[in-house]
Amino acid sequence: DIQMTQSPSSLSASVGDRVTITCRASQSISIFLNWYQQKPGQAPKLLIYAASSLQSGVPSRFSGSGSGTGFTLTISSLQPGDFATYYCQQSYSSPLTFGGGTRVEIK
Amino acid sequence: QLQLQESGPGLVKSSETLSLICTVSGGSISSSNYYWGWIRQPPGKGLGWIGNIYYSGSTSYNPSLKSRVTMSVDTSKNQFSLKLSSVTAADTAVYYCASLNYDSSGSYIDYWGQGTLVTVSS
Repeated sequence: DIQMTQSPSSLSASVGDRVTITCRASQSISIFLNWYQQKPGQAPKLLIYAASSLQSGVPSRFSGSGSGTGFTLTISSLQPGDFATYYCQQSYSSPLTFGGGTRVEIK
Repeated sequence: QLQLQESGPGLVKSSETLSLICTVSGGSISSSNYYWGWIRQPPGKGLGWIGNIYYSGSTSYNPSLKSRVTMSVDTSKNQFSLKLSSVTAADTAVYYCASLNYDSSGSYIDYWGQGTLVTVSS
């Protein structure tokens, strides 16, 4: 299985801050990397697919980059509704695997 | 847009079989560019892929669960299902059904059910 490692596991930030979350794969996965946002008590929501493609309806303050083994999710200006847990997920090979999550908390 | 809804018992006894159904609305389960999957999340923990099924019945299971998992699809009812046998407390989790969209960009989970908590009791 491909292991996905996210860092940090949690962070505290203020509204308006620029936030960057990193995801690293245990082997090259090209651009087959997706990002999800999950709020407490809710199902995850797709933000970014294929490393950098913004899902329809997702605000443009979210962006993704990277290829191979290193990827980042950036929130350019954190908004109140962005406090949540973020997961990366590889779709390069089966079984699909997720990172451990990054919890973004209010500072 | 697709809507998915899980249904099934919220409490299963240890060593028995967990059974869940996912009903798809707003689109056909026979769509050629979709696979249908199950993901679970133990309380307070991260997401884990269980497996997926195509409308033809072709399946792909996580090797860690393969010996205990069976998925099936009923195109006439626009439903797919999950059976997980010989459950233990470690199988207690929120179970999500989801649509896995395949295109030239790879695959991604674009629609999720609301999730259903299944507790395994001794």
